[in-house]
Amino acid sequence: GENVEQHPSTLSVQEGDSAVIKCTYSDSASNYFPWYKQELGKRPQLIIDIRSNVGEKKDQRIAVTLNKTAKHFSLHITETQPEDSAVYFCASNSGGYQKVTFGTGTKLQVIP
Amino acid sequence: DTAVSQTPKYLVTQMGNDKSIKCEQNLGHDTMYWYKQDSKKFLKIMFSYNNKELIINETVPNRFSPKSPDKAHLNLHINSLELGDSAVYFCASRASGQETQYFGPGTRLLVL
Repeated sequence: GENVEQHPSTLSVQEGDSAVIKCTYSDSASNYFPWYKQELGKRPQLIIDIRSNVGEKKDQRIAVTLNKTAKHFSLHITETQPEDSAVYFCASNSGGYQKVTFGTGTKLQVIP
Repeated sequence: DTAVSQTPKYLVTQMGNDKSIKCEQNLGHDTMYWYKQDSKKFLKIMFSYNNKELIINETVPNRFSPKSPDKAHLNLHINSLELGDSAVYFCASRASGQETQYFGPGTRLLVL
């Protein structure tokens, strides 16, 4: 089955700095890669996603890049703010029934 | 209006008891999921239903039995609860032809 690895597990940055979270996946048939943000005690919420026919996607301060050959994708957050503090999950779909496999999560702390 | 809702929000119970968690979505989605998030925040898929039909059944003890009375509802019944069942259980749903999953608020289960 699909295996998604995510690094780092924790990340502390100063407010205003950039944060980068990296993931690798194993199933070359995976074609959809969402990123979820989970604030403390809340539900995971989709913040950005990318499909395999696209190499990069941006939405204001967040961007995601995908390297299909190397089977890795990354989340970039620029000009971080304290409200960006949360656990971030990468994920990859596999199989015809949209089974999504999640990474192990990155706890991001933005220090004011 | 809440798109994906779960009841109860909190559930504290004794080992050996049987309990149910309910999920409802008013998005008109065809596919629903149950995930388990353990104390380390790992998000693991348990089950998925598409139009009331079970399509994903991960390696879950058979003490866990999902039921989908209609495509807007997916319930989870757990028999003979064990300490290791303590976790947050998330329901999610997805529209046919779309990849994005929408999560419910979670049910925090504590087995004593």
